[in-house]
Amino acid sequence: GESVGLHLPTLSVQEGDNSIINCAYSNSASDYFIWYKQESGKGPQFIIDIRSNMDKRQGQRVTVLLNKTVKHLSLQIAATQPGDSAVYFCAEPKAAGNKLTFGGGTRVLVKP
Amino acid sequence: KAGVTQTPRYLIKTRGQQVTLSCSPISGHRSVSWYQQTPGQGLQFLFEYFSETQRNKGNFPGRFSGRQFSNSRSEMNVSTLELGDSALYLCASSLTGGEVQFFGPGTRLTVL
Repeated sequence: GESVGLHLPTLSVQEGDNSIINCAYSNSASDYFIWYKQESGKGPQFIIDIRSNMDKRQGQRVTVLLNKTVKHLSLQIAATQPGDSAVYFCAEPKAAGNKLTFGGGTRVLVKP
Repeated sequence: KAGVTQTPRYLIKTRGQQVTLSCSPISGHRSVSWYQQTPGQGLQFLFEYFSETQRNKGNFPGRFSGRQFSNSRSEMNVSTLELGDSALYLCASSLTGGEVQFFGPGTRLTVL
């Protein structure tokens, strides 16, 4: 069935290095993706989104890349900081836009 | 602008009881969605309300229900609680649906 999933459950990264979190999706008709960050004890926090008419979108220290050919998107975090330690989810709205389907999540651990 | 608020933040109930959780969306947001988050199942969509009507529903039993008021505030109810209902229940709001959803901090429900 349709799904949005993540390749790596845990990513350990040195402070100051770049992080790359991957996400695969199965529905070629998918046209909108959202990345969320969830810190311990908190709700998911919006990071960045991208529509299918774009291949790349940049925010503050984050970049999302969308490869529609292989149905894959990635979130890149530049100069990873301790505050970036969290679980990151990719999500896709379905059913008239407001049923979010989440990937399994990737935990990012930043080593000092 | 204030974010999404949820009350209570923590609840402890026993099997067979019922519980009501409350969510106040961001001012001006008319769509409210509910999600259940557990370690085993991840983030799963429960239902979405827009203009006091349930617009989307996930695959949860009828023990899970909700409603939305004219001021867009929403409540969800779980009747006849089971141990497996222990989870973090998250509420998210968006303007009308199809845009980014913003999440509240969640209500941590523990069923004993």
